[in-house]
Amino acid sequence: EADIYQTPRYLVIGTGKKITLECSQTMGHDKMYWYQQDPGMELHLIHYSYGVNSTEKGDLSSESTVSRIRTEHFPLTLESARPSHTSQYLCASSEWGTVPDEQYFGPGTRLTVT
Amino acid sequence: DQQVKQNSPSLSVQEGRISILNCDYTNSMFDYFLWYKKYPAEGPTFLISISSIKDKNEDGRFTVFLNKSAKHLSLHIVPSQPGDSAVYFCAASEGYSGGSNYKLTFGKGTLLTVNP
Repeated sequence: EADIYQTPRYLVIGTGKKITLECSQTMGHDKMYWYQQDPGMELHLIHYSYGVNSTEKGDLSSESTVSRIRTEHFPLTLESARPSHTSQYLCASSEWGTVPDEQYFGPGTRLTVT
Repeated sequence: DQQVKQNSPSLSVQEGRISILNCDYTNSMFDYFLWYKKYPAEGPTFLISISSIKDKNEDGRFTVFLNKSAKHLSLHIVPSQPGDSAVYFCAASEGYSGGSNYKLTFGKGTLLTVNP
């Protein structure tokens, strides 16, 4: 059973607010990922990290930022939320060196910006 | 440009019958293919994978077939059960290359409904 947690599960917030989506994993995985997914669409990678103090932007441009100060924690921040940020955000983690990269996903945060 | 395509948004089958979910890809550099299952309000969970050096991988009721020349793979579920009703995502990644990442590229998913 994968142990990766995301909070909050659902968030409705007004335009212009700063938000942080939390993601934590207890598996000691070095690699962590943030995906954005709209209904009926593919998961798009927006950020990834291969370890502490390592963060990279993914394939889909995003106004969000991430940090990786601790191995188990990979929060995502939006400084000023906009309606275009309304989406589901999925966090994932995986072990270094496994092939293929079997990623474990959290339950997701469904964000609605009004 | 979508590199992993799941052209059927939905599929409905009867319990006990075979479910066949299809996936096509365009990137010839993909070396690994994975299937994930996603229930509503949950994150995707890994189901089964296949390497490009194989043409079949089986795990219980789930079998994945890879046709590399056609850039096509399929997931067979036999027999299908109502609990299999979920969205199935096909994903692909390039192979290891001296420390390069294994980023996954996902399709849009196929909603499978297994009717009792």
